[in-house]
Amino acid sequence: GAGVSQSPSNKVTEKGKDVELRCDPISGHTALYWYRQSLGQGLEFLIYFQGNSAPDKSGLPSDRFSAERTGGSVSTLTIQRTQQEDSAVYLCASRRGGGANYGYTFGSGTRLTVV
Amino acid sequence: GDSVTQMEGPVTLSEEAFLTINCTYTATGYPSLFWYVQYPGEGLQLLLKATKADDKGSNKGFEATYRKETTSFHLEKGSVQVSDSAVYFCALSDVAGNQFYFGTGTSLTVIP
Repeated sequence: GAGVSQSPSNKVTEKGKDVELRCDPISGHTALYWYRQSLGQGLEFLIYFQGNSAPDKSGLPSDRFSAERTGGSVSTLTIQRTQQEDSAVYLCASRRGGGANYGYTFGSGTRLTVV
Repeated sequence: GDSVTQMEGPVTLSEEAFLTINCTYTATGYPSLFWYVQYPGEGLQLLLKATKADDKGSNKGFEATYRKETTSFHLEKGSVQVSDSAVYFCALSDVAGNQFYFGTGTSLTVIP
């Protein structure tokens, strides 16, 4: 597609429930990232996919968080047994390959509220 | 490790004022540097970038120069508009191009 698409745009869930957040990157972009943006905070790196390489999961805050990327395209971020501190905007970004010169294209994010 | 430090906000300016948002970085080698902007209710958008020392990135009247001697990439605009009200993020891409490091963001409000 023309841009990075994320769904849903808003999600309200009860504490303890599982949620899935979806990211559809720009066609042909091999690198895909997930970030978390909490109120008044900067961007917190979560996970990075590059082509067929093993993902860099170093930013995932706990084992309740996981992500996969199927067919090198769409990615799903799953949060199990959600907690109130998981409330944040989850941003997905894609980039054309590796290399330091390419900037990210971000999606509009999913605003997750855990009540 | 690599990191970015940017000026804390919020910043409030009158329309047509001069804007500077400071950004300094710590990195091994020669990273690429970026400024992203996030308008209210929207995602982050790339504003400008510079990929080597002394490069100047520019877009929409904003400029930033990659200064290796001072490890800085300050964002400037000569005359801000109300429509520039947004959060601005300085970012660094490591030399390998695998990871981005973002500053905490600076909120700018421009009043008429």
